[in-house]
Amino acid sequence: TQLLEQSPQFLSIQEGENLTVYCNSSSVFSSLQWYRQEPGEGPVLLVTVVTGGEVKKLKRLTFQFGDARKDSSLHITAAQPGDTGLYLCAGVDGGFKTIFGAGTRLFVKA
Amino acid sequence: GAVVSQHPSRVICKSGTSVKIECRSLDFQATTMFWYRQFPKQSLMLMATSNEGSKATYEQGVEKDKFLINHASLTLSTLTVTSAHPEDSSFYICSARVGAENSPLHFGNGTRLTVT
Repeated sequence: TQLLEQSPQFLSIQEGENLTVYCNSSSVFSSLQWYRQEPGEGPVLLVTVVTGGEVKKLKRLTFQFGDARKDSSLHITAAQPGDTGLYLCAGVDGGFKTIFGAGTRLFVKA
Repeated sequence: GAVVSQHPSRVICKSGTSVKIECRSLDFQATTMFWYRQFPKQSLMLMATSNEGSKATYEQGVEKDKFLINHASLTLSTLTVTSAHPEDSSFYICSARVGAENSPLHFGNGTRLTVT
């Protein structure tokens, strides 16, 4: 079974600070996704990365896929209270199932 | 596009009763849907893959007789929690893909099940 290790699991920061969330695996994934989930709702897709070394930007969010396609990172610049939520990395395994990391619960204080 | 609708959003039931949760793809056809379970402050755990017109594929440790899945049409999958017990209380979320098998998932808004 392919596993995704996500860190940190919890992060509490002040508005304006930067942060990075990591997602690592010993296995290669054909693609990795990052989702954000609000309490009581389903996850919402932020980005998909497919190519090793790929970097994608979504406003203040920067996503990177490792060269070997085993790891990914999410960097948030100048975090805002609206960024508060659960961030989940996910990968599609060889059986086309999507497996999730443990999630990073981010709290941005005003 | 790619809207997945899940109903009900919340349900409270008594121990021993059964609860049905519906998952619909509103603007696309989904031959495969996925059911996840999420405990408080934890990540999503895949329970089963729902296949239109055939039996669902359950993950290891998930009781197929307890969590009945029916995928009778290309736009509807249902999950029935049979003889529910308090330990079945959880957040159940369905999802589906549009496009290739390694494409991202589109999720419903989840169902909060509380068994008293």
